[in-house]
Amino acid sequence: DAGVIQSPRHEVTEMGQEVTLRCKPISGHNSLFWYRQTMMRGLELLIYFNNNVPIDDSGMPEDRFSAKMPNASFSTLKIQPSEPRDSAVYFCASSQTDRADYGYTFGSGTRLTVV
Amino acid sequence: AQSVTQLGSHVSVSEGALVLLRCNYSSSVPPYLFWYVQYPNQGLQLLLKYTTGATLVKGINGFEAEFKKSETSFHLTKPSAHMSDAAEYFCAVNRGGSASKIIFGSGTRLSIRP
Repeated sequence: DAGVIQSPRHEVTEMGQEVTLRCKPISGHNSLFWYRQTMMRGLELLIYFNNNVPIDDSGMPEDRFSAKMPNASFSTLKIQPSEPRDSAVYFCASSQTDRADYGYTFGSGTRLTVV
Repeated sequence: AQSVTQLGSHVSVSEGALVLLRCNYSSSVPPYLFWYVQYPNQGLQLLLKYTTGATLVKGINGFEAEFKKSETSFHLTKPSAHMSDAAEYFCAVNRGGSASKIIFGSGTRLSIRP
């Protein structure tokens, strides 16, 4: 099993540009999560999909952020326009179930720097 | 509301010494409890979890944790630290309802002295 695959690993972009982060969950996992990690705020849940449907997007900071999951094997997180305060490590995680007693499998993250 | 508190943002131990990372939770009902480890430039990896049954749970890499309901604690231990244990450790709690309801602690960075 290749695990959760995220791309790119690093992204440096200029303020105002569009950024797209990509995630391929583990095959057979039906729950997918996007998290943001910063020193100041720790790990924050941005959005949660179950069976490709967004269930909870209350953590999405503002309208500049959007996420899609067109099929069970692919999800994107888009920031448009990007701002310096969006600089963070963005993690995608998947789980084989929505059950609360299951853990997540995290990808290696995308380190985003907005200059 | 549920929350999780990790005591000590940074813990340093000597190689071969006992590792003890503290985690306390607040929850109105017995929660599900997790420990994750994050190595530099990597994502979080599940170390162990408590759901029901035996309160002492064993995880990967020789780590274990004990659920103590009376103390609302879920401390992580390892008898003998190894240099490769240097990482950030996160305690997490989920009261239930959905996998998305998990709350992560702020993390404890473990350093190992030679």
